[in-house]
Amino acid sequence: DQQVKQNSPSLSVQEGRISILNCDYTNSMFDYFLWYKKYPAEGPTFLISISSIKDKNEDGRFTVFLNKSAKHLSLHIVPSQPGDSAVYFCAASGDNRKLIWGLGTSLAVNP
Amino acid sequence: NAGVTQTPKFQVLKTGQSMTLQCAQDMNHNSMYWYRQDPGMGLRLIYYSASEGTTDKGEVPNGYNVSRLNKREFSLRLESAAPSQTSVYFCASRGLVVTGELFFGEGSRLTVL
Repeated sequence: DQQVKQNSPSLSVQEGRISILNCDYTNSMFDYFLWYKKYPAEGPTFLISISSIKDKNEDGRFTVFLNKSAKHLSLHIVPSQPGDSAVYFCAASGDNRKLIWGLGTSLAVNP
Repeated sequence: NAGVTQTPKFQVLKTGQSMTLQCAQDMNHNSMYWYRQDPGMGLRLIYYSASEGTTDKGEVPNGYNVSRLNKREFSLRLESAAPSQTSVYFCASRGLVVTGELFFGEGSRLTVL
C-alpha cells in the first residue's frame, strides 16, 4: 500500500505558466517532505524540502506547500521553463528518517 | 567534485551470471543506499548502510547482497542474475544531518537476458 502517492503520472504546461505537482501521503507520522527532480539518464537531484512545522517553503521559482490536515503537499514552479521538463519525485520521512517515495510525475514544459 | 560515483554505467548479463555494482562517495557521508528504479514502480530501496560496518535490508533485498567496504564504498552484488533484476540501479549517500537530503549517483543500467 503506497504511503506516498503522486496521482498524476504526467503533466504538460506552457512555458511561463505555473506548474503544480501534487503529492498525498497517508502516514500522519511523516514530518519531513522532499522533492527531487530527475532528468533521463541521470540520478535524482534534491530540489526543495519542507518540515511539518511549516506550511510553505520557497526557493527561487520553486515553492512547496504543505497541508497537514489534508495530508497533501504541492510543488509550484513559477514561471515554468523548458529546462524544468523532468520527472519529479515526492518523498516523505518520519522518526526513522527512512525515505518513502512516490512514483513520480513527468513534467513537460512546452516552449 | 565527483560526489557519488557508480560503475559500471551499463551492463548486460545472462541469466545466472554474477556481477558487482560499485559505488563510492567523496563527501564523507555516513549513510549509503542502493535503489532500483523500474517503470511505474518509482524508487525502491534494496539495501542501506547507516554507517561503516552496518548494512540493513530495504524493501526489495531478495537476490542481492551488499558490502560496506569502508566509509567511502558500498557495493551491490547479484550472485545469480535473473531477468527480473533488469533495472536501473542508483547508489546514494547522506550525511549526518538528520533531515539531510540524499545525493545520488548517475545510475547503472543493468539488463539480464
